[in-house]
Amino acid sequence: QVQLQESGPRLLKPSGTLSLTCAVSGASISSSNWWSWVRQPPGKGLEWIGEIYHDGSTNYNPSLESRVTMSVDKSKNQFSLKLTSLTATDTAVYYCARDVSSDQQLATWGQGILVTVSS
Amino acid sequence: DVVLTQSPLSLPVTLGQPASISCRSSQSLVYNNGYTYLNWFQQRPGQSPRLLIYKVFNRDSGVPDRFSGSGSGTDFTLKISRVEAEDVGVYYCMQGLHWPYTFGQGTKLEIK
Repeated sequence: QVQLQESGPRLLKPSGTLSLTCAVSGASISSSNWWSWVRQPPGKGLEWIGEIYHDGSTNYNPSLESRVTMSVDKSKNQFSLKLTSLTATDTAVYYCARDVSSDQQLATWGQGILVTVSS
Repeated sequence: DVVLTQSPLSLPVTLGQPASISCRSSQSLVYNNGYTYLNWFQQRPGQSPRLLIYKVFNRDSGVPDRFSGSGSGTDFTLKISRVEAEDVGVYYCMQGLHWPYTFGQGTKLEIK
C-alpha cells in the first residue's frame, strides 16, 4: 500500500521560505507517476500548486510559479516543495499526492500538514 | 485558467435519498485521445481528499457503486443513488487536462 507523509516546519514568518518534504513508502519515486502538491487554506477549497516527475520535469501553477521550486530525491524516495516570499495568504494545509496512472490523477494523498505564516 | 463551476454549493439530503452535483467547465476537457479528464473527489470532515471518479465515469478502487459520474465536453454530474451518513463532506470536481489543473469551489453535502 502506497503511503505519502508530509513533513516540515509548521510556523513560518512573512517573507520567509516554506520547505516541505513528502516521504513515499510502498512505491518507488522513480515509477512512472507524477507527484503533486495541493494546498487548502483553512475553510476554503483546493489549489493545485504543481507536479514533478522522477526525471525532474515540472509543471507549476502560473499563479505561484515565480515562488515555487519542486525537486525529487531518489536516494531518499521523497520529493520536496519550496515556496519563497511567504505572506499570510500562504497559510494552508499542504498535501502531497500521487497519480497512480495517467488516468488516475491525484489518486493517493498524504494526510496534509498545516503551515501557518505569521509574525 | 479553466474555471469549474459547481452547483449547488450546499446540498442538504435526507438519508437514503439521491443526490446530484453539477460541474460545468469553461473549456472542453476532451483530450485528442478521446478521453475526458474530469475527476471527482470527496473530502470528509478532517480528512484528506479522496479520488472517487476519474475520467468522468470511472470509479476508483474501493468506491461504492452508489457513486456514479456522467457527462461530456463541458458539463458533468456526480450522482449518489442513496445517501449514507458516511457521505457527509465536501465534493470537488477537478480538471486534469489543461495546466494549471483546477478544482471547482466544492459542494458541501449534509444530512437533512
